[in-house]
Amino acid sequence: AQTVTQSQPEMSVQEAETVTLSCTYDTSESNYYLFWYKQPPSRQMILVIRQEAYKQQNATENRFSVNFQKAAKSFSLKISDSQLGDTAMYFCAFIVPQGAQKLVFGQGTRLTINP
Amino acid sequence: DAGVTQSPTHLIKTRGQQVTLRCSPKSGHDTVSWYQQALGQGPQFIFQYYEEEERQRGNFPDRFSGHQFPNYSSELNVNALLLGDSALYLCASSQKDEQYFGPGTRLTVT
Repeated sequence: AQTVTQSQPEMSVQEAETVTLSCTYDTSESNYYLFWYKQPPSRQMILVIRQEAYKQQNATENRFSVNFQKAAKSFSLKISDSQLGDTAMYFCAFIVPQGAQKLVFGQGTRLTINP
Repeated sequence: DAGVTQSPTHLIKTRGQQVTLRCSPKSGHDTVSWYQQALGQGPQFIFQYYEEEERQRGNFPDRFSGHQFPNYSSELNVNALLLGDSALYLCASSQKDEQYFGPGTRLTVT
């Protein structure tokens, strides 16, 4: 079975600080994709960043970057220069890109950015 | 591009009733997936539709059924509602491996 674990239920940092959210996953597949989604109070699930398992280079999107450790099955998200608008639930998710592609989500981390 | 749309936004039903939720995919997307998100939890996969057929199903009872229409829009039906069915129901559309989510339908069963 494929599972995703987020061990930090809640985190809180000051505006402009850097914060890292943790995620581990378990799979026997060799080809898969990993995602971080953001869900603000508006409920809309928004894709933040994606990482293909076959790529060794860590993905980066502006202030968001990941640390992908394939052997350790770890996929953390770093948010630099955090902003008030980053306050949201963050979900780590996993997908196998063959056949029916279902996303497997972690339990989420509630991130609060304080002014 | 309107993105993924869902209706209704909110819904209140009584135990034992039936409900239908609707989803219109993002333009150009042919695959629709449905997820159930209980309060404070991550979304759980219900099923996925492609070419008007259910392609894969998660661990949900037969009370949960769906349909995809020729224009790729989709419906999620839940029969014999239970209190535990109260959740946010998310629809996601995709063409390849990246799923785009709608704003969800909040279902409350009383």
